[in-house]
Amino acid sequence: AQTVTQSQPEMSVQEAETVTLSCTYDTSESDYYLFWYKQPPSRQMILVIRQEAYKQQNATENRFSVNFQKAAKSFSLKISDSQLGDAAMYFCAYRSAWDNYGQNFVFGPGTRLSVLP
Amino acid sequence: DGGITQSPKYLFRKEGQNVTLSCEQNLNHDAMYWYRQDPGQGLRLIYYSQIVNDFQKGDIAEGYSVSREKKESFPLTVTSAQKNPTAFYLCASSPTGATNYGYTFGSGTRLTVV
Repeated sequence: AQTVTQSQPEMSVQEAETVTLSCTYDTSESDYYLFWYKQPPSRQMILVIRQEAYKQQNATENRFSVNFQKAAKSFSLKISDSQLGDAAMYFCAYRSAWDNYGQNFVFGPGTRLSVLP
Repeated sequence: DGGITQSPKYLFRKEGQNVTLSCEQNLNHDAMYWYRQDPGQGLRLIYYSQIVNDFQKGDIAEGYSVSREKKESFPLTVTSAQKNPTAFYLCASSPTGATNYGYTFGSGTRLTVV
């Protein structure tokens, strides 16, 4: 079974600075997708960014980018120019390319990010 | 706008009482899911449904029940058999076969036993 690990339960960053959240995963599959979700105090889960395992190019979405290292099974999230609204719980997640019905979506335990003014 | 609506936002349950959490989506997604979230933990899958009138147990189904009579609706009942129901419950949906698609989540229901 696949597992997702987030080794940083909590992190903090100064406003306008850059922070990187770590995620590692374990799988024997070669084809899969990785996701970062944000859960702000409202508790609504919001998709931040996704990465296809077959793509070498790292995904970017505005101030959010990932560092995907397939061989190392590492998928870190970099937030540039941090804003107060970035304060949230961040979850890393894995989905097999063969998981047609989504029942094997695997989430990490989360990293709580604080943004200091 | 398409999305998932969960209600109520807050729910209080007395000991020995069954309660039902509502989840409705207008995204035309086939698959729907219920997750439980406890403090300091990730999401744990309770039940999922791939199609109307069919559903499967997830990792922590004991003490919960679901139904899927309509594509749009996937209510979750927390029964009196659930020993520790106080938690945050998230409903999600996904189109079948689109494995590059993450979930779309509702805004959640906070259930507290009083």
